[in-house]
Amino acid sequence: GQSLEQPSEVTAVEGAIVQINCTYQTSGFYGLSWYQQHDGGAPTFLSYNALDGLEETGRFSSFLSRSDSYGYLLLQELQMKDSASYFCAVRDSNKGKLIFGQGTELSVKP
Amino acid sequence: EAGVTQSPTHLIKTRGQQVTLRCSPISGHTSVYWYQQALGLGLQFLLWYDEGEERNRGNFPPRFSGRQFPNYSSELNVNALELEDSALYLCASSKRWGSSYEQYFGPGTRLTVT
Repeated sequence: GQSLEQPSEVTAVEGAIVQINCTYQTSGFYGLSWYQQHDGGAPTFLSYNALDGLEETGRFSSFLSRSDSYGYLLLQELQMKDSASYFCAVRDSNKGKLIFGQGTELSVKP
Repeated sequence: EAGVTQSPTHLIKTRGQQVTLRCSPISGHTSVYWYQQALGLGLQFLLWYDEGEERNRGNFPPRFSGRQFPNYSSELNVNALELEDSALYLCASSKRWGSSYEQYFGPGTRLTVT
């Protein structure tokens, strides 16, 4: 089977750093993507890791450890507009298919 | 550059009816994906089309079907609607299946089945 686990909710204050973890179990694996979805909106692509290590894009970074079947999204200098749901998604052995986690709802407080 | 568009934005149907949802991908994108997102839940993969062919489908019954046209736009058809089909249906596109890790989503069609 295929499964992804991520925390359902995370709360942090403005200006802080938050890490959203994702562990996965899939029959095949090509990479891990992260998406952001504001309430009622369309998901938007944030980052993709195919190889182990850290990828940085502005305030957001994403990490992957293939040996541990684990990744995380790191958000720095949190802003109120970062309040949203964040989904990890595995690109499995059938490269065209993304399997999404259930999402982590991030609440940023003033 | 225009984004992914979907129509209609909202739809109310009665149990047992049939519905067709439409999606136009970003210009130059050949792969189209359909997802179902029930309220407060994650995205469940429905269908993937590339170059007019169905490449993969998720764990949904055969009453969920679709197609992709020569201009790469796509339709999702749902027959014999059930109450649990009420959800946001999202369409996404990517340049090709090789770029599926970076999908661009449309605003979705909110389907309510009564």
